[in-house]
Amino acid sequence: DTEVTQTPKHLVMGMTNKKSLKCEQHMGHRAMYWYKQKAKKPPELMFVYSYEKLSINESVPSRFSPECPNSSLLNLHLHALQPEDSALYLCASSWTREGGNTIYFGEGSWLTVV
Amino acid sequence: GEDVEQSLFLSVREGDSSVINCTYTDSSSTYLYWYKQEPGAGLQLLTYIFSNMDMKQDQRLTVLLNKKDKHLSLRIADTQTGDSAIYFCAATNYGGSQGNLIFGKGTKLSVKP
Repeated sequence: DTEVTQTPKHLVMGMTNKKSLKCEQHMGHRAMYWYKQKAKKPPELMFVYSYEKLSINESVPSRFSPECPNSSLLNLHLHALQPEDSALYLCASSWTREGGNTIYFGEGSWLTVV
Repeated sequence: GEDVEQSLFLSVREGDSSVINCTYTDSSSTYLYWYKQEPGAGLQLLTYIFSNMDMKQDQRLTVLLNKKDKHLSLRIADTQTGDSAIYFCAATNYGGSQGNLIFGKGTKLSVKP
């Protein structure tokens, strides 16, 4: 079972709201990722967690705050977002973060900031 | 750094074969992947190939790798309307510590009945 589950599938939030995106995998993977994908563009890496510790932050604004409560869960907390943050947010996981480990993606959460 | 290039569009008739091409620049890229993205959906891993392989076949999918030319292709046999999607080529290095994928811009495959 190579499944990464993301909730919610769709989220509309105002610029003053606080919301969270959630991601879960039960494959025993120890690396988890957040990617952002704008329309008609490839995904762009935001964060990498390795063994529940943040290992990469690709200069993402602080209004995006990741959290990895345990090895199966990954959250992305959202606060004071801008309309340009509207995008598809993809969670992914792999056995480890070393190159060569196949990365499996979830179905994504469509975020609209109004 | 690595750069991955793909043609943006491909149109084929149902039942024909589709060939999606990809080139990459970093000769140390050791793992190359094909992902499929249907409208409104996430990325589905289709297949991958290691750089020590020339070819990999999986049912209707055939991946060819020319390491000398840094060229990767995905052939879909007997293309169906359900194959209409965007196909992303991606590369990563074994030695890379990020596990990061470098994506191409994606090829939109349109299958006409």
